[in-house]
Amino acid sequence: ETGVTQSPTHLIKTRGQQVTLRCSSQSGHNTVSWYQQALGQGPQFIFQYYREEENGRGNFPPRFSGLQFPNYSSELNVNALELDDSALYLCASSLEGSFLDTQYFGPGTRLTVL
Amino acid sequence: GQQLNQSPQSMFIQEGEDVSMNCTSSSIFNTWLWYKQDPGEGPVLLIALYKAGELTSNGRLTAQFGITRKDSFLNISASIPSDVGIYFCAGHNTDKLIFGTGTRLQVFP
Repeated sequence: ETGVTQSPTHLIKTRGQQVTLRCSSQSGHNTVSWYQQALGQGPQFIFQYYREEENGRGNFPPRFSGLQFPNYSSELNVNALELDDSALYLCASSLEGSFLDTQYFGPGTRLTVL
Repeated sequence: GQQLNQSPQSMFIQEGEDVSMNCTSSSIFNTWLWYKQDPGEGPVLLIALYKAGELTSNGRLTAQFGITRKDSFLNISASIPSDVGIYFCAGHNTDKLIFGTGTRLQVFP
């Protein structure tokens, strides 16, 4: 158990809707990264937040946005959902704003877009 | 999106056997990481490599950072049933972490 929690566990949405996924970081961690993992694939980096500021972004369109709160919990928002957005969404927390520090992953939120 | 190439895609081995898997990239990385993912869970970091040519062990696991900085290898010795899972490599550059396609390992008693 990593101490990183995500909610909800599963979610079903329809195309065009908006969704918000939540992540609670491990105690003391000020950095959170979000990943999209399609079935049978490795995780794809979406973006990272460090001390409430975006600290790096992968090749995802602007309809993927995020927030990090003063308590370092985080949200991933996806607008105008598409069928290809169906995936496991993972968040990972770490101590400082880089990937060199160990990232602790949550169990993920399984999003299905119909 | 970009993913690193891992091989083999899957492996079916007998308990006690040694396992080797590798990861290749067309890009150079400054850091290589190896993760294991069990069903219903997020990836867990196994080994981190920070220097070209570096060989690092973690129990029965040994990983190497390729000299060209474009590849990495993971070996598992004397496999046991709890080694079952999906193993991912990941390369780090600047502000991104890029994962491989994964190697699924099955261990039979």
